[in-house]
Amino acid sequence: DIQMTQYPSSLSASVGDRVSITCRASQRIAIYLNWYQQRPGKAPRLLIYAASRLQSGVPSRFSGSGSGTDFTLTISNLQPEDFATYYCQYSYSAPPFAFGPGTKVEIK
Amino acid sequence: QVQLVESGGGVVQPGRSLRLSCAASGFTFSNYAIHWVRQSPGKGLEWVALISHDGRKTDYADSVKGRFIISRDNSRNTVFLEMNSLTPEDTAVYYCAREYYDSSPPVWFDPWGQGTLVTVSS
Repeated sequence: DIQMTQYPSSLSASVGDRVSITCRASQRIAIYLNWYQQRPGKAPRLLIYAASRLQSGVPSRFSGSGSGTDFTLTISNLQPEDFATYYCQYSYSAPPFAFGPGTKVEIK
Repeated sequence: QVQLVESGGGVVQPGRSLRLSCAASGFTFSNYAIHWVRQSPGKGLEWVALISHDGRKTDYADSVKGRFIISRDNSRNTVFLEMNSLTPEDTAVYYCAREYYDSSPPVWFDPWGQGTLVTVSS
Protein backbone atom coordinates (compact mmCIF):
# COMPACT_ATOMS: atom_id res chain seq x y z
CA ASP A 1 0.00 0.00 0.00
CA ILE A 2 1.04 3.56 -0.64
CA GLN A 3 2.08 5.44 2.50
CA MET A 4 1.97 9.21 2.83
CA THR A 5 4.30 11.19 5.10
CA GLN A 6 4.26 14.89 5.87
CA TYR A 7 6.83 17.21 7.33
CA PRO A 8 7.13 19.08 9.47
CA SER A 9 4.55 17.62 11.84
CA SER A 10 4.06 21.12 13.21
CA LEU A 11 5.38 24.60 12.66
CA SER A 12 5.07 28.02 14.25
CA ALA A 13 4.66 31.08 12.07
CA SER A 14 3.51 34.67 12.22
CA VAL A 15 0.75 36.46 10.35
CA GLY A 16 2.15 37.54 6.99
CA ASP A 17 4.72 34.73 6.78
CA ARG A 18 5.12 32.33 3.88
CA VAL A 19 5.04 28.68 4.92
CA SER A 20 5.54 25.42 3.06
CA ILE A 21 4.43 21.91 3.96
CA THR A 22 5.84 18.83 2.27
CA CYS A 23 4.05 15.57 1.52
CA ARG A 24 5.94 12.51 0.31
CA ALA A 25 4.45 9.33 -1.16
CA SER A 26 6.10 5.92 -0.79
CA GLN A 27 5.62 5.30 -4.53
CA ARG A 28 5.20 7.53 -7.52
CA ILE A 29 1.61 8.79 -7.68
CA ALA A 30 1.72 11.21 -10.64
CA ILE A 31 -0.51 14.13 -9.59
CA TYR A 32 -2.99 12.10 -7.55
CA LEU A 33 -2.64 14.31 -4.49
CA ASN A 34 -5.08 16.54 -2.64
CA TRP A 35 -4.66 18.97 0.26
CA TYR A 36 -7.24 19.63 2.98
CA GLN A 37 -7.42 22.17 5.81
CA GLN A 38 -9.01 21.31 9.14
CA ARG A 39 -9.65 24.01 11.71
CA PRO A 40 -10.17 22.90 15.34
CA GLY A 41 -13.56 21.27 15.86
CA LYS A 42 -14.45 21.55 12.17
CA ALA A 43 -14.69 19.21 9.21
CA PRO A 44 -11.86 19.06 6.66
CA ARG A 45 -12.10 21.45 3.74
CA LEU A 46 -10.66 20.84 0.26
CA LEU A 47 -7.97 23.35 -0.72
CA ILE A 48 -6.03 21.84 -3.62
CA TYR A 49 -6.79 18.87 -5.89
CA ALA A 50 -4.71 17.10 -8.52
CA ALA A 51 -1.57 18.46 -6.84
CA SER A 52 -1.87 22.07 -8.01
CA ARG A 53 -5.48 22.96 -8.85
CA LEU A 54 -7.06 25.49 -6.50
CA GLN A 55 -10.57 24.60 -5.35
CA SER A 56 -13.19 27.22 -6.12
CA GLY A 57 -13.57 29.71 -3.28
CA VAL A 58 -10.14 29.03 -1.77
CA PRO A 59 -7.93 32.13 -1.47
CA SER A 60 -5.13 32.43 -4.00
CA ARG A 61 -2.50 32.61 -1.23
CA PHE A 62 -2.78 28.81 -1.17
CA SER A 63 -0.86 26.94 -3.86
CA GLY A 64 0.23 23.38 -4.53
CA SER A 65 3.05 21.90 -6.54
CA GLY A 66 4.81 18.64 -7.23
CA SER A 67 4.38 15.32 -8.96
CA GLY A 68 5.67 11.80 -8.58
CA THR A 69 6.60 11.38 -4.93
CA ASP A 70 7.15 14.91 -3.57
CA PHE A 71 4.52 17.57 -3.16
CA THR A 72 4.34 20.97 -1.48
CA LEU A 73 1.55 23.12 -0.11
CA THR A 74 2.54 26.77 0.18
CA ILE A 75 0.64 29.46 2.04
CA SER A 76 1.83 32.95 1.28
CA ASN A 77 0.92 35.91 3.50
CA LEU A 78 -0.39 33.71 6.33
CA GLN A 79 -3.68 34.94 7.79
CA PRO A 80 -5.15 34.33 11.27
CA GLU A 81 -7.77 31.95 9.83
CA ASP A 82 -5.02 29.79 8.29
CA PHE A 83 -3.87 28.44 11.64
CA ALA A 84 -5.11 24.88 11.31
CA THR A 85 -3.99 21.35 10.51
CA TYR A 86 -3.26 20.43 6.90
CA TYR A 87 -3.54 16.95 5.43
CA CYS A 88 -2.41 15.55 2.11
CA GLN A 89 -4.28 12.65 0.52
CA TYR A 90 -3.42 10.14 -2.18
CA SER A 91 -6.31 10.47 -4.57
CA TYR A 92 -6.41 7.75 -7.17
CA SER A 93 -9.94 6.57 -7.98
CA ALA A 94 -9.65 3.45 -5.82
CA PRO A 95 -8.72 2.68 -2.20
CA PRO A 96 -6.82 3.21 0.04
CA PHE A 97 -7.29 6.99 -0.34
CA ALA A 98 -4.49 7.33 2.21
CA PHE A 99 -4.09 10.54 4.19
CA GLY A 100 -0.85 11.95 5.50
CA PRO A 101 -0.51 12.33 9.30
CA GLY A 102 -1.11 16.07 9.18
CA THR A 103 0.88 19.27 9.75
CA LYS A 104 -0.30 21.67 12.45
CA VAL A 105 0.33 25.34 11.72
CA GLU A 106 0.44 27.32 14.97
CA ILE A 107 0.77 30.97 15.82
CA LYS A 108 4.28 32.05 16.83
CA GLN B 1 -26.15 24.77 -1.32
CA VAL B 2 -24.37 21.43 -1.53
CA GLN B 3 -24.57 19.87 1.91
CA LEU B 4 -24.05 16.61 3.76
CA VAL B 5 -25.41 16.06 7.26
CA GLU B 6 -24.44 13.07 9.39
CA SER B 7 -26.51 11.65 12.23
CA GLY B 8 -26.76 8.57 14.39
CA GLY B 9 -23.67 8.87 16.54
CA GLY B 10 -23.65 8.25 20.27
CA VAL B 11 -22.29 6.06 23.04
CA VAL B 12 -22.41 2.31 22.47
CA GLN B 13 -21.02 -0.65 24.37
CA PRO B 14 -18.24 -2.82 22.90
CA GLY B 15 -19.59 -5.59 20.71
CA ARG B 16 -22.80 -3.73 19.91
CA SER B 17 -23.95 -2.12 16.65
CA LEU B 18 -24.76 1.38 15.48
CA ARG B 19 -26.06 2.81 12.20
CA LEU B 20 -24.95 6.20 10.91
CA SER B 21 -26.79 8.22 8.26
CA CYS B 22 -25.53 10.84 5.83
CA ALA B 23 -28.26 12.99 4.27
CA ALA B 24 -27.43 14.94 1.13
CA SER B 25 -28.98 18.03 -0.43
CA GLY B 26 -28.21 20.60 -3.10
CA PHE B 27 -26.95 18.23 -5.80
CA THR B 28 -28.02 15.21 -7.86
CA PHE B 29 -27.22 12.62 -5.23
CA SER B 30 -27.53 9.57 -7.49
CA ASN B 31 -24.65 10.80 -9.67
CA TYR B 32 -21.98 10.68 -6.96
CA ALA B 33 -20.02 8.17 -4.95
CA ILE B 34 -19.94 8.82 -1.21
CA HIS B 35 -17.19 8.04 1.30
CA TRP B 36 -16.96 7.70 5.07
CA VAL B 37 -13.81 8.99 6.79
CA ARG B 38 -13.17 8.85 10.54
CA GLN B 39 -10.96 10.71 12.99
CA SER B 40 -10.11 9.29 16.39
CA PRO B 41 -9.76 11.89 19.19
CA GLY B 42 -6.62 13.93 18.65
CA LYS B 43 -5.59 11.83 15.65
CA GLY B 44 -5.49 12.10 11.88
CA LEU B 45 -7.95 11.15 9.15
CA GLU B 46 -8.64 7.53 8.22
CA TRP B 47 -10.61 6.51 5.14
CA VAL B 48 -13.28 3.95 6.10
CA ALA B 49 -15.58 3.04 3.19
CA LEU B 50 -16.98 4.07 -0.17
CA ILE B 51 -20.12 3.36 -2.15
CA SER B 52 -20.52 4.02 -5.86
CA HIS B 53 -23.22 6.31 -7.22
CA ASP B 54 -25.58 3.42 -7.91
CA GLY B 55 -24.69 1.34 -4.86
CA ARG B 56 -23.27 -1.52 -6.94
CA LYS B 57 -19.68 -1.07 -5.79
CA THR B 58 -18.51 -0.83 -2.20
CA ASP B 59 -15.08 -0.99 -0.62
CA TYR B 60 -13.72 -0.88 2.91
CA ALA B 61 -10.57 -0.21 4.87
CA ASP B 62 -8.99 -3.39 6.23
CA SER B 63 -9.66 -2.14 9.78
CA VAL B 64 -13.45 -2.35 9.28
CA LYS B 65 -13.83 -4.99 6.57
CA GLY B 66 -16.29 -7.70 7.62
CA ARG B 67 -17.76 -5.50 10.39
CA PHE B 68 -19.04 -2.37 8.65
CA ILE B 69 -21.56 -2.22 5.80
CA ILE B 70 -22.11 0.85 3.63
CA SER B 71 -25.36 1.24 1.70
CA ARG B 72 -27.45 3.97 0.10
CA ASP B 73 -31.02 4.87 -0.73
CA ASN B 74 -31.03 7.20 -3.71
CA SER B 75 -34.77 7.84 -3.31
CA ARG B 76 -34.00 9.37 0.10
CA ASN B 77 -30.66 10.98 -0.82
CA THR B 78 -29.07 9.14 2.07
CA VAL B 79 -26.04 6.92 2.69
CA PHE B 80 -25.81 4.60 5.69
CA LEU B 81 -22.95 3.03 7.60
CA GLU B 82 -23.92 -0.03 9.61
CA MET B 83 -21.22 -0.64 12.20
CA ASN B 84 -21.14 -4.03 13.93
CA SER B 85 -18.92 -5.67 16.56
CA LEU B 86 -17.73 -2.26 17.67
CA THR B 87 -14.53 -1.93 19.70
CA PRO B 88 -13.06 1.05 21.60
CA GLU B 89 -10.70 1.51 18.63
CA ASP B 90 -13.73 2.54 16.54
CA THR B 91 -14.27 5.59 18.74
CA ALA B 92 -14.05 8.56 16.39
CA VAL B 93 -15.83 11.38 14.64
CA TYR B 94 -17.27 9.93 11.45
CA TYR B 95 -17.51 12.19 8.41
CA CYS B 96 -19.22 11.51 5.10
CA ALA B 97 -17.88 13.19 1.97
CA ARG B 98 -18.85 13.40 -1.67
CA GLU B 99 -16.38 12.10 -4.22
CA TYR B 100 -15.79 14.54 -7.03
CA TYR B 101 -13.77 14.41 -10.22
CA ASP B 102 -13.68 15.97 -13.65
CA SER B 103 -11.68 13.32 -15.51
CA SER B 104 -11.16 10.40 -13.19
CA PRO B 105 -8.55 9.85 -11.80
CA PRO B 106 -7.75 11.73 -9.66
CA VAL B 107 -10.73 12.17 -7.36
CA TRP B 108 -11.23 14.43 -4.37
CA PHE B 109 -13.58 14.72 -1.43
CA ASP B 110 -15.81 17.78 -1.43
CA PRO B 111 -17.83 18.72 0.51
CA TRP B 112 -17.63 17.02 3.89
CA GLY B 113 -20.37 16.80 6.47
CA GLN B 114 -19.92 18.22 9.97
CA GLY B 115 -19.30 14.78 11.46
CA THR B 116 -20.98 12.63 14.11
CA LEU B 117 -19.19 11.30 17.20
CA VAL B 118 -19.23 7.60 17.98
CA THR B 119 -17.94 6.56 21.40
CA VAL B 120 -17.48 2.86 22.13
CA SER B 121 -17.24 2.34 25.86
CA SER B 122 -18.64 0.13 28.59
